[in-house]
Amino acid sequence: AQRVTQPEKLLSVFKGAPVELKCNYSYSGSPELFWYVQYSRQRLQLLLRHISRESIKGFTADLNKGETSFHLKKPFAQEEDSAMYYCALSGHQGGSEKLVFGKGTKLTVNP
Amino acid sequence: EADIYQTPRYLVIGTGKKITLECSQTMGHDKMYWYQQDPGMELHLIHYSYGVNSTEKGDLSSESTVSRIRTEHFPLTLESARPSHTSQYLCASSDTGRVEKLFFGSGTQLSVL
Repeated sequence: AQRVTQPEKLLSVFKGAPVELKCNYSYSGSPELFWYVQYSRQRLQLLLRHISRESIKGFTADLNKGETSFHLKKPFAQEEDSAMYYCALSGHQGGSEKLVFGKGTKLTVNP
Repeated sequence: EADIYQTPRYLVIGTGKKITLECSQTMGHDKMYWYQQDPGMELHLIHYSYGVNSTEKGDLSSESTVSRIRTEHFPLTLESARPSHTSQYLCASSDTGRVEKLFFGSGTQLSVL
């Protein structure tokens, strides 16, 4: 079964500090991992995906298969990074491909 | 403009009423999804469709039903609403090929009294 765990419900940092949002997953196959973000009064949207190895808005995430983790990191947090962040895993179940989400972490960046 | 639309944005209704949550997309996507989300909890997939006349139940059991008669339209219906159905319902779509990039609607916040 696919499962995504985000251990921190709330995370608060000061502007300019490094931030790491944790994500662990459980999946027997080869996973594809994503981070989605929801800013205040906006829709949920894709932030980044592990296969792209990209940096979006200064955020990066590395897939660690040994630790089954996909933590989201940013070296210097900004106030506009305050949002809900959801880790998601794409895998096959019963012949169909589905996206499974974690419970989310609410990041607050204080001035 | 290509987008995904959900109506109504908020709905407060009494127990026993029949309701339909609307979802339409103008992006030409084949795949559409309904997620249910309670406050502070993860999104749970309740229904999905890979095309016209194709509907499947998701991971979370739901008393709701869906239909996909047109590519752009994926309404969700509750025949008899109950307080336990109070939740946020999110509609999403994605292009054929990969599920990775979902485009979400603004959601419908349903409250059943």
